[in-house]
Amino acid sequence: NAGVMQNPRHLVRRRGQEARLRCSPMKGHSHVYWYRQLPEEGLKFMVYLQKENIIDESGMPKERFSAEFPKEGPSILRIQQVVRGDSAAYFCASSLSGTNEKLFFGSGTQLSVL
Amino acid sequence: KQEVTQIPAALSVPEGENLVLNCSFTDSAIYNLQWFRQDPGKGLTSLLLIQSSQREQTSGRLNASLDKSSGRSTLYIAASQPGDSATYLCAVRESNFGNEKLTFGTGTRLTIIP
Repeated sequence: NAGVMQNPRHLVRRRGQEARLRCSPMKGHSHVYWYRQLPEEGLKFMVYLQKENIIDESGMPKERFSAEFPKEGPSILRIQQVVRGDSAAYFCASSLSGTNEKLFFGSGTQLSVL
Repeated sequence: KQEVTQIPAALSVPEGENLVLNCSFTDSAIYNLQWFRQDPGKGLTSLLLIQSSQREQTSGRLNASLDKSSGRSTLYIAASQPGDSATYLCAVRESNFGNEKLTFGTGTRLTIIP
């Protein structure tokens, strides 16, 4: 039973390019969360999704960032026109039925913007 | 706004010692509290989850306690081993309906000296 799978592990982009980060939750999990960890800072909530629905996006920057969790396939975090300040580790987590249960995290995607 | 603090930021202890990590939160209206471990360059591993109605949880050499009224939790590690070296994070989920996000502390970086 594979855990939460994120790819790529490392992603390098130049300023102005697009970054697409993928997350496959644990088998049977329908709740997905994205968190961002900036250097020397704690993890910050970005967005919470269930299949085909964005439940809470209160932590998402208003521009350039979007997320989806389609009926089929992985959840995608998309960052358009990346800037250096987007450089961070992006973690995906999943749970069976919301955070009254344990969250299981992926290994993260380290985004570096040149 | 919920704030989670972990002190100290870093801790070094000789192998075999028992130790306590501290976590405090400003808003006591929480649904649960979760302790995680993060290894360098890797994702988070959930260690213990304490529901707001519980006082403590135990798993092997780990024991986590929760005092909701004072806004504090501790993680006790018995008979520490070099493999316990990692960053330990605590996170709280607030109790308002529909709020699924976790608020994380910045962690305690633990080093066990062989």
